[in-house]
Amino acid sequence: DSGVTQTPKHLITATGQRVTLRCSPRSGDLSVYWYQQSLDQGLQFLIQYYNGEERAKGNILERFSAQQFPDLHSELNLSSLELGDSALYFCASSSGSNNEQFFGPGTRLTVL
Amino acid sequence: AQSVTQPDIHITVSEGASLELRCNYSYGATPYLFWYVQSPGQGLQLLLKYFSGDTLVQGIKGFEAEFKRSQSSFNLRKPSVHWSDAAEYFCVLTNAGKSTFGDGTTLTVKP
Repeated sequence: DSGVTQTPKHLITATGQRVTLRCSPRSGDLSVYWYQQSLDQGLQFLIQYYNGEERAKGNILERFSAQQFPDLHSELNLSSLELGDSALYFCASSSGSNNEQFFGPGTRLTVL
Repeated sequence: AQSVTQPDIHITVSEGASLELRCNYSYGATPYLFWYVQSPGQGLQLLLKYFSGDTLVQGIKGFEAEFKRSQSSFNLRKPSVHWSDAAEYFCVLTNAGKSTFGDGTTLTVKP
């Protein structure tokens, strides 16, 4: 158990819909990262937050957004969903930007 | 731009045999390098990391990796593979919070 929790575990929705994925970092970790893992794209870094502020941005679509709240939990919002957004979404946390990351179990999103 | 290449998509080894998974990176300065393992349906677990100092790093589960700046490589090794090592392995380079993953190497272990 990494100490990082993600909810929900599975999510099935339809195209055009909007969903919110939630992540709680390990106790004491200030950084939260979001990743997308799909068969054709592999593991892609989406975005990093550090203590409530956006710190680094990767291949995140404009339809996607994230935020980190004062209690350090984070949410990833995915809107106008397309079939290609079906993937496993991981959250990770760390104590600093270049330190090892601890990964949550992931949320499997299926868009029908 | 930073990049990570894992040349071997799939490797099969016999249980008890030695293992080496290759990783090459491209980055202008000294990188922060990691190896993670992902078992089917699971999240990623850190095996080991390199920040600086000793170029041979030891990790969990009997794994080690050697950083070679001249070859821009960070290969993962294990002297004797166990059936439970079957998984996907990712080499990762991190800089200022931005992580770049290799495409992964899937390890199959034959009995």
